Amino acid sequence: NAGVTQTPKFRVLKTGQSMTLLCAQDMNHEYMYWYRQDPGMGLRLIHYSVGEGTTAKGEVPDGYNVSRLKKQNFLLGLESAAPSQTSVYFCASSPFPPAGQMAQYFGPGTRLTVL
Amino acid sequence: SQQGEEDPQALSIQEGENATMNCSYKTSINNLQWYRQNSGRGLVHLILIRSNEREKHSGRLRVTLDTSKKSSSLLITASRAADTASYFCATADSGSARQLTFGSGTQLTVLP
Repeated sequence: NAGVTQTPKFRVLKTGQSMTLLCAQDMNHEYMYWYRQDPGMGLRLIHYSVGEGTTAKGEVPDGYNVSRLKKQNFLLGLESAAPSQTSVYFCASSPFPPAGQMAQYFGPGTRLTVL
Repeated sequence: SQQGEEDPQALSIQEGENATMNCSYKTSINNLQWYRQNSGRGLVHLILIRSNEREKHSGRLRVTLDTSKKSSSLLITASRAADTASYFCATADSGSARQLTFGSGTQLTVLP
């Protein structure tokens, strides 16, 4: 049981390049999330998904797109990377909450630098 | 914008001492959660307290919640060097329990 995994762990991009970050979970969780974490700050929600085929915007969605074609995978895309997108990206998942929110399970993060 | 704000931003204590971190938030919540993040790693869930609960314990952790003051505290008793990490509170709004809003964190250093 690997939990939540993220690919790649590190990446350096040039301004204007595109890339896709992959998140995979093997816990059969319904909900999945993408966050970014900048120095000295907490996590900010980019996009999330409440089930296969669904996505929704979070607090800071601009410049990012997501897809949830399979329940276990949640992809985060940057179409045209900008230096402001330099950050550490975390994926998380949680089971369908029976009443209120459940705990979220986090991946190890992807450190992205945009030059 | 950040929902939770932790206080202090940084805390340094000796091994064996207790560590207390505080979190304030702005809106009505369904629950409040605390997470730990070791350097260079993902967040790990520690404890969840629901809005109708006032206190919760888990091992050396004690969490209190005061909804009238919109604040919570995390107490770590008999701290160990391995407790060195950043600690974040996160709130699930009563109107949108699908999402968590994280605070900016407290960096705890436990000196051996």
